Amino acid sequence: RKEVEQDPGPFNVPEGATVAFNCTYSNSASQSFFWYRQDCRKEPKLLMSVYSSGNEDGRFTAQLNRASQYISLLIRDSKLSDSATYLCVVNNAGNMLTFGGGTRLMVKP
Amino acid sequence: NAGVTQTPKFRILKIGQSMTLQCAQDMNHNYMYWYRQDPGMGLKLIYYSVGAGITDKGEVPNGYNVSRSTTEDFPLRLELAAPSQTSVYFCASSSGVGDGYTFGSGTRLTVV
Repeated sequence: RKEVEQDPGPFNVPEGATVAFNCTYSNSASQSFFWYRQDCRKEPKLLMSVYSSGNEDGRFTAQLNRASQYISLLIRDSKLSDSATYLCVVNNAGNMLTFGGGTRLMVKP
Repeated sequence: NAGVTQTPKFRILKIGQSMTLQCAQDMNHNYMYWYRQDPGMGLKLIYYSVGAGITDKGEVPNGYNVSRSTTEDFPLRLELAAPSQTSVYFCASSSGVGDGYTFGSGTRLTVV
């Protein structure tokens, strides 16, 4: 089993749609969780941290379910500019982060 | 702040040549990392450092070497370049795992 697993997609959605990405992780001792965004041919950039209580940043909502070792990202009112690859990231050991393979989102007019 | 700076942005190497990819950060982060990303694939950890003078291997260290003589700099050395090392290389730094990583803009390397 991969340490961090994501559906690679692509998810093709129309503008204005709501889309959800899921991610599972294997290490029950993981303490830190993030979603990163990576645009084509660019570096990954931190989108948001994920907290146990869930957190929201504008149109983006992240949820963590420790019992199921499951992380989600919800994007509401999708914009063309949301088209990117979304990386689920978990700290696996010490100060190391493990990156999922990413889920590609394409928002169309 | 400049954040994490990588040079060069692009490079073409011939098989068997060597080169050093430079990485510098101005955030006084103790932790630094080198990743490679092949087309359509995820990030793979090459080497990392938890502080000046300390380095350790990641998932794919073969064919690479690193050094960390200062907090700011973490160069990656490729010896005897091979076509399998064609990739995009990202350097990252962190003050601690709870803060996530800050990435440089990457170096696109082609070995022919």
